[in-house]
Amino acid sequence: DGGITQSPKYLFRKEGQNVTLSCEQNLNHDAMYWYRQDPGQGLRLIYYSQIVNDFQKGDIAEGYSVSREKKESFPLTVTSAQKNPTAFYLCASSPRQGHQAFFGQGTRLTVV
Amino acid sequence: AQSVTQLGSHVSVSEGALVLLRCNYSSSVPPYLFWYVQYPNQGLQLLLKYTTGATLVKGINGFEAEFKKSETSFHLTKPSAHMSDAAEYFCAVSEGSGGYNKLIFGAGTRLAVHP
Repeated sequence: DGGITQSPKYLFRKEGQNVTLSCEQNLNHDAMYWYRQDPGQGLRLIYYSQIVNDFQKGDIAEGYSVSREKKESFPLTVTSAQKNPTAFYLCASSPRQGHQAFFGQGTRLTVV
Repeated sequence: AQSVTQLGSHVSVSEGALVLLRCNYSSSVPPYLFWYVQYPNQGLQLLLKYTTGATLVKGINGFEAEFKKSETSFHLTKPSAHMSDAAEYFCAVSEGSGGYNKLIFGAGTRLAVHP
């Protein structure tokens, strides 16, 4: 089945550690996105990518990094510079000429 | 810049009652508008979208929304609530050019349905 796969579903990180969240899509979509969700704040855009080897910062990029080496994959690294990383992270993709975004099931990151 | 305001962070209705979730947007150009639903610890699922054409849009699970340009609103309705409708609902507006879709989300409305 076509879709977006995020892994892992739950992730625990010690303070000071970097951690990478995986996002893979088999929808052949050009654009991919990472959102952060906190209670009562909706979804905020971290990074987005329109094509391979290119990406742009969203509204809250500080403390995060991404890569887009393949069309299907858009991993997000939460670095130790992110002061408050505990949140629910959602990956999405959309066709180049489309306006509907498709979402993965999310990764819940907790700092312990 | 575009923005979305959802009035009411929590809405509670009785089973069988009308559901009305409010969304207002700001945009300097004709917007693309969306409603998504999220169940606990899940991703977002598209309920319906407005792009062009008919201003009354029908979606899945009996939901519909009406685009009112004069009021800059895109309120979501369902005539009769079901227990399974309990979830969080997000309104979003599309911003961007060159074909990609940067979505701006509202803060969300949590819908509770009681017997």
